[in-house]
Amino acid sequence: QAVVTQEPSLTVSPGGTVTLTCGSSAGAVTSGHYPHWFQQKPGQVPKTLIYDTNNRHSWTPARFSASLLGGKAALTLSGAQPEDEADYYCLLYHRGVGVEFGGGTRLTVL
Amino acid sequence: EIQLVESGGGLVQPGGSLRLSCVASGFTFSDYWMKWVRQAPGKGLECVADIREDGGKTYYADSVKGRFTISRDNARNSLSLQMNSLRVEDTAVYYCLPPGAASYWGQGTPVTVYS
Repeated sequence: QAVVTQEPSLTVSPGGTVTLTCGSSAGAVTSGHYPHWFQQKPGQVPKTLIYDTNNRHSWTPARFSASLLGGKAALTLSGAQPEDEADYYCLLYHRGVGVEFGGGTRLTVL
Repeated sequence: EIQLVESGGGLVQPGGSLRLSCVASGFTFSDYWMKWVRQAPGKGLECVADIREDGGKTYYADSVKGRFTISRDNARNSLSLQMNSLRVEDTAVYYCLPPGAASYWGQGTPVTVYS
């Protein structure tokens, strides 16, 4: 099984910009991995922010964007708000292997 | 509106069995791979099993291989997870999750394996 890697923690200032990344031990992440990004706040069910690389759900704030960057999937938060403090997980589909989550990134807005 | 309702969780002793169910609505269930995801207390998300649209292909995490079986009934828009030989480390909240635009989360069903 492939290992999906994320930064364990990141800090961003209110109003600032931060990029979270999602890599794969199997090689460069492409759109064929259908990257998804999830947000989970304490005590809450996860919520899907992004699917299939860069598609937002209707509830996803426009300050969240996603892309492929340097062989990884990337989630960029521009104009961070206090309510964006949460755990963020990425998910990748590996053909013939299955689905793997990253270990998650704890984002602090401080 | 897309809804996913998981059920079947509970308390069980090590070695016991449970069968989880998920009923989906609001999207064409038979068009989507489906997966079971779990989250142990204080831990991250783990995909334990997933199944192709027609049920003809399945994948399992190494941690559950040989013990868990995923299945689906497209006529009933339902997904199941038969969990046998349960271990303390299987304690988690279990969610069913479709991919892509249908990627909504239900409330999950908690499973507690206690000795």
